Amino acid sequence: DTGVSQDPRHKITKRGQNVTFRCDPISEHNRLYWYRQTLGQGPEFLTYFQNEAQLEKSRLLSDRFSAERPKGSFSTLEIQRTEQGDSAMYLCASSLGVSEEYSNQPQHFGDGTRLSIL
Amino acid sequence: SQQGEEDPQALSIQEGENATMNCSYKTSINNLQWYRQNSGRGLVHLILIRSNEREKHSGRLRVTLDTSKKSSSLLITASRAADTASYFCVPLGYQKVTFGIGTKLQVIP
Repeated sequence: DTGVSQDPRHKITKRGQNVTFRCDPISEHNRLYWYRQTLGQGPEFLTYFQNEAQLEKSRLLSDRFSAERPKGSFSTLEIQRTEQGDSAMYLCASSLGVSEEYSNQPQHFGDGTRLSIL
Repeated sequence: SQQGEEDPQALSIQEGENATMNCSYKTSINNLQWYRQNSGRGLVHLILIRSNEREKHSGRLRVTLDTSKKSSSLLITASRAADTASYFCVPLGYQKVTFGIGTKLQVIP
């Protein structure tokens, strides 16, 4: 069973560096989501794609954050000029969606990338 | 978007006991989903209950939905140490999925 996979699992970097995370969704899923989760909180929505189109970005996603899903398959999330406040778990999820509206289908999550900023 | 509010925020029980978690929300929904998250892992979808359903079972899980009160409950029967996790409810209409703080369940062996 190839579920959602994320790479790397852990990333430690110095403040000011750029980082990039990768997410490989379940192959038949056309929707892909990114979330950020800090300790003791639930996941916060960052952005989502339907196929290769980025349909929504949260206000949490500053100009330093960019996400892509170039061929409608895997996705990358890049953070430029990292700050201490970027330390969090970054979760990716995928699901099926049949219309332009938000999907009510269950989301399948990867185990996340834990980012630590020194 | 709307998010569910889980209650209690923390729950500690002995193995073998039942655990009940509650969820409240504010606006009308199409369905409500429950997720589990083990420490350091991603979320796992547990169960989905549609707005026209009142109760649903899956193994040791029982979910109820009362749309008139805008509330749901998740019951885990005969709890096990492996049930120790955070549990999130997600009420869904036509908005993006939004998670609350969850209920942190600890099952003591």
